[in-house]
Amino acid sequence: QLQLRESGPGLVKPSETLSLTCAVSGGSITSDLYYWAWIRQPPGKGLEWIGSINYSGDTYYNPSLKSRVTVSVDTSKNQFSLRLSSVTAADTAVYYCATILFRISSSPLDSWGQGTLVTVSS
Amino acid sequence: DIQMTQSPSSLSASVGDRVTITCRASESISSHLNWYQQKPEKAPKLLIYAASSLQGGVPPRFTGSGFGTDFTLTISSLQPEDFATYYCQQGNSAPRTFGQGTKVEIK
Repeated sequence: QLQLRESGPGLVKPSETLSLTCAVSGGSITSDLYYWAWIRQPPGKGLEWIGSINYSGDTYYNPSLKSRVTVSVDTSKNQFSLRLSSVTAADTAVYYCATILFRISSSPLDSWGQGTLVTVSS
Repeated sequence: DIQMTQSPSSLSASVGDRVTITCRASESISSHLNWYQQKPEKAPKLLIYAASSLQGGVPPRFTGSGFGTDFTLTISSLQPEDFATYYCQQGNSAPRTFGQGTKVEIK
């Protein structure tokens, strides 16, 4: 099983851009076994799918966030990244990166990072 | 978007109890349903995929069933380590969506 670890600022000001990175170990980011996903969880609330990217660089974004989200892959560093622009307090959440086992019919999220709390506040 | 509704939102149970959690999709999702367990301050953990397939390393007291719009997660004999929040998630269509969670507490 892969190991994933999120990193990035824990505090972002309103209207600025949230940037997080997910480092992948135990396997290659270019593997054709996985897609790569970002999920978030506001404090005390449920899970929300943000977006995903595959080994070819094809992306999918949740329509509710699409205008503000970019997910990208850096193969040289074996990591993938999330950028969320124009943040507000509503974007305060624990952000998780995860692998998608897309070859399984239900595309489950298999390996998860430990999560990183991002607070949006001035 | 496909809405996923879990019931109950919370429940109290004792060690050894049989526990059943229900997840209903707003439209048919075939068997494209996953279940996760989340403990406080931890990332979710995959328990069941494709409605009824047990993820490796997950105890067999966890079983999943269902097809179409109605699904269940059953814990046959609740253990102390099973007190957690459980989420269903549909993998049928984009955007992937989760249920609101069911918190299993100690009675």
